[in-house]
Amino acid sequence: DAKTTQPPSMDCAEGRAANLPCNHSTISGNEYVYWYRQIHSQGPQYIIHGLKNNETNEMASLIITEDRKSSTLILPHATLRDTAVYYCIVRLRIKAAGNKLTFGGGTRVLVKP
Amino acid sequence: EPEVTQTPSHQVTQMGQEVILRCVPISNHLYFYWYRQILGQKVEFLVSFYNNEISEKSEIFDDQFSVERPDGSNFTLKIRSTKLEDSAMYFCASSVTNTGELFFGEGSRLTVL
Repeated sequence: DAKTTQPPSMDCAEGRAANLPCNHSTISGNEYVYWYRQIHSQGPQYIIHGLKNNETNEMASLIITEDRKSSTLILPHATLRDTAVYYCIVRLRIKAAGNKLTFGGGTRVLVKP
Repeated sequence: EPEVTQTPSHQVTQMGQEVILRCVPISNHLYFYWYRQILGQKVEFLVSFYNNEISEKSEIFDDQFSVERPDGSNFTLKIRSTKLEDSAMYFCASSVTNTGELFFGEGSRLTVL
């Protein structure tokens, strides 16, 4: 799986959009970008994933650059409950690759009132 | 909303004792996983399990560890003879398919004295 680089921490104001960057310059053509988050030592929680098109769901939006070497997770209106560590993970989505997630250090996001 | 449940939430044990951590995956999920997170460190993959056998395991998952699905609902992780370094949060996860999103439980904190 391709390696990812994320800033170790960032602050965000409550009610504002939080933009979380992730670099994955060695991503291969069939690797997906996944985002999970972990709120205060709870189990990781799936947020969103994408291959090359931008994706949106009820939690967040995922913007992937055209060259796919980086992406941004957008939390449109951050709340205090969004304070968590956010993990960007790149992996193949094929049966042969299995479903193992390799977590890095992630970005510790602190949403402030 | 269906969820993965884990018991116990916290277990304290003496070094050398056997420990069994239990998980009830989401009912229609077929793939099961254990991860662990030592305090202050990354979430690490231990093992994946499908069709009553291990699909993949990490180098952490040595002979002291075993998994089983004894009754079609529970999924257990056994540590045969605990060591101090086994102290960690253990997360169970499940997924519908081998490529789908993982749903994690809240974790079982194991403290080995």
